[in-house]
Amino acid sequence: GDSVTQMEGPVTLSEEAFLTINCTYTATGYPSLFWYVQYPGEGLQLLLKATKADDKGSNKGFEATYRKETTSFHLEKGSVQVSDSAVYFCALSKTSYDKVIFGPGTSLSVIP
Amino acid sequence: DTAVSQTPKYLVTQMGNDKSIKCEQNLGHDTMYWYKQDSKKFLKIMFSYNNKELIINETVPNRFSPKSPDKAHLNLHINSLELGDSAVYFCASSRQTGRNEKLFFGSGTQLSVL
Repeated sequence: GDSVTQMEGPVTLSEEAFLTINCTYTATGYPSLFWYVQYPGEGLQLLLKATKADDKGSNKGFEATYRKETTSFHLEKGSVQVSDSAVYFCALSKTSYDKVIFGPGTSLSVIP
Repeated sequence: DTAVSQTPKYLVTQMGNDKSIKCEQNLGHDTMYWYKQDSKKFLKIMFSYNNKELIINETVPNRFSPKSPDKAHLNLHINSLELGDSAVYFCASSRQTGRNEKLFFGSGTQLSVL
């Protein structure tokens, strides 16, 4: 079945470091891809999305590009802040099943 | 105003009890969901309703019964609670079904079964 795989955490970075969180997916057809973020004690929030191959989603300094050839949607940020500490979820959705499938999440801690 | 609100935030109960979690959204969305997040943060869909009609039921034990009295509310009732039901339960909504739709999540209900 369709699935999402993410790099295992936790990831610990110093403030202003470069961030990459890898995400790959397995799906037939043409899914939409998402990154959601969960801050401590809160529900998930959409961070960015891309709906077709080569689209780039971006928000709050985060970016991810939909790469169909490598079935990937890696999340990047050039300079992380302490406030970016959270759990990041890669996800996909297809019309055929009206739901969002989430990856296992990657915990990020940014230290001053 | 909270867009998706769920109550209670914490629920501690004994094995075998019956409990309910309530969810309301004020976004005017047609579709609502229940997700379960385990201790490793893995998030799995349980149910989805569109305009009060059940559209997804993901092999959840029949001890779990969702109820949608109207499209702004989706409640979750759990009978005969078991230790393995301990998790964080998230309610979510989207404008409609479809692969591009953004999910809006509540802040979660942490259920602890003792």
